[in-house]
Amino acid sequence: GAVVSQHPSWVICKSGTSVKIECRSLDFQATTMFWYRQFPKQSLMLMATSNEGSKATYEQGVEKDKFLINHASLTLSTLTVTSAHPEDSSFYICSAPEVGLIETQYFGPGTRLLVL
Amino acid sequence: AQSVAQPEDQVNVAEGNPLTVKCTYSVSGNPYLFWYVQYPNRGLQFLLKYITGDNLVKGSYGFEAEFNKSQTSFHLKKPSALVSDSALYFCAVNDYKLSFGAGTTVTVRA
Repeated sequence: GAVVSQHPSWVICKSGTSVKIECRSLDFQATTMFWYRQFPKQSLMLMATSNEGSKATYEQGVEKDKFLINHASLTLSTLTVTSAHPEDSSFYICSAPEVGLIETQYFGPGTRLLVL
Repeated sequence: AQSVAQPEDQVNVAEGNPLTVKCTYSVSGNPYLFWYVQYPNRGLQFLLKYITGDNLVKGSYGFEAEFNKSQTSFHLKKPSALVSDSALYFCAVNDYKLSFGAGTTVTVRA
């Protein structure tokens, strides 16, 4: 099946710094990617939809200035957590559907963020 | 709005016994239903999906699920569970965006 990678797999940062997480579709193109957040032993909550060549669409309650999303190419989307605080510590997962197969999404391995 | 519900937080079974993880859905129109599995500190792995057609869907690792329109259910099943099946399982519905159930933790004891 299709492969989605994320980098880094985990990151520890100081409060107030910004952290960038990359999501790449390795063997297919993705005009759309999705970013999720997951707290321990909880479900995935959709944060935003990343659209190649246009602005991301954020879910209600997600601060767009806090979580900057850039979909620079058909294989890369980035999520930047700006001025991170301890409450931003979480597991961030991206997914991408294959073009023409919108119902089938492939998930990245996730990025564990710990803000001290 | 499309949604799915997983009524059980945890399911515990002995190895070799049948495993069932329950999911019910609420959708308008024809649902696109999915099952994913997540191992600790990992992303989600696709198990199977129902789009249309045969109500019994076979997926990865010996799992299958039955779409039941009258009961609005899409339960995940495996005839003989393995210890390695211990993980977090998510049911999801896709209406352009995926909406996940709360998840069910499966523990298979040796």
